[in-house]
Amino acid sequence: EVQLVESGGGLVKPGGSLRLSCAASGFTFSSYSMNWVRQAPGKGLEWVSSISSSSSYIYYADSVKGRFTISRDNAKNSLYLQMNSLRAEDTAVYYCARYSGYVGNWYFDLWGRGTLVTVSS
Amino acid sequence: QSVLTQPPSVSGAPGQRVTISCTGSSSNIGAGYDVHWYQQLPGTAPKLLIYGNSNRPSGVPDRFSGSKSGTSASLAISGLQAEDEADYYCQSYDSSLMGVVFGGGTKLTVL
Repeated sequence: EVQLVESGGGLVKPGGSLRLSCAASGFTFSSYSMNWVRQAPGKGLEWVSSISSSSSYIYYADSVKGRFTISRDNAKNSLYLQMNSLRAEDTAVYYCARYSGYVGNWYFDLWGRGTLVTVSS
Repeated sequence: QSVLTQPPSVSGAPGQRVTISCTGSSSNIGAGYDVHWYQQLPGTAPKLLIYGNSNRPSGVPDRFSGSKSGTSASLAISGLQAEDEADYYCQSYDSSLMGVVFGGGTKLTVL
């Protein structure tokens, strides 16, 4: 079955760190660019970060630049998001999502179920 | 404030047709970048509904259709069903921000 499964969410204090993981299965993970997209409680979707298939190209939203680091391990079919200096406004469900399309016209054709990150003292 | 503007809510009776607009600018939709649509049922992850302005992934009913003109795009849902009650999001690329952008989402209520 083609799927993405996130893990690693939880409760963390402001200023703390957390590492999210996303396990891919059912498709050739190493052929796809991947992303993290988040959704704050009761709010809309916000793209967070993307990484190309070979990790050559990495991009971040301004809201997380300098604090979050995306990475991947193609041998383990896994995507990661290291989140440091967490703030209350980072509280959200974090989705792992696969890119399809082409440069400038990417879309997310496969989503995981998400993992909840809560930043609170 | 989202880069792409959607109405917060729309509603319709079963069997009716509703449309959801997505308004952008010259740096995203107006620049020729494609618009994509997602459906998010309550308590679930988003699901791709329309890609490349008007294409439906396998398994998406043909009651769902998309279009794009100028700096705007629209999602139309015909033959409205109770199961269509969900949040709908448009998405494109913005050359000024150099990144993916989403609309704020539209909640569809089936009366």
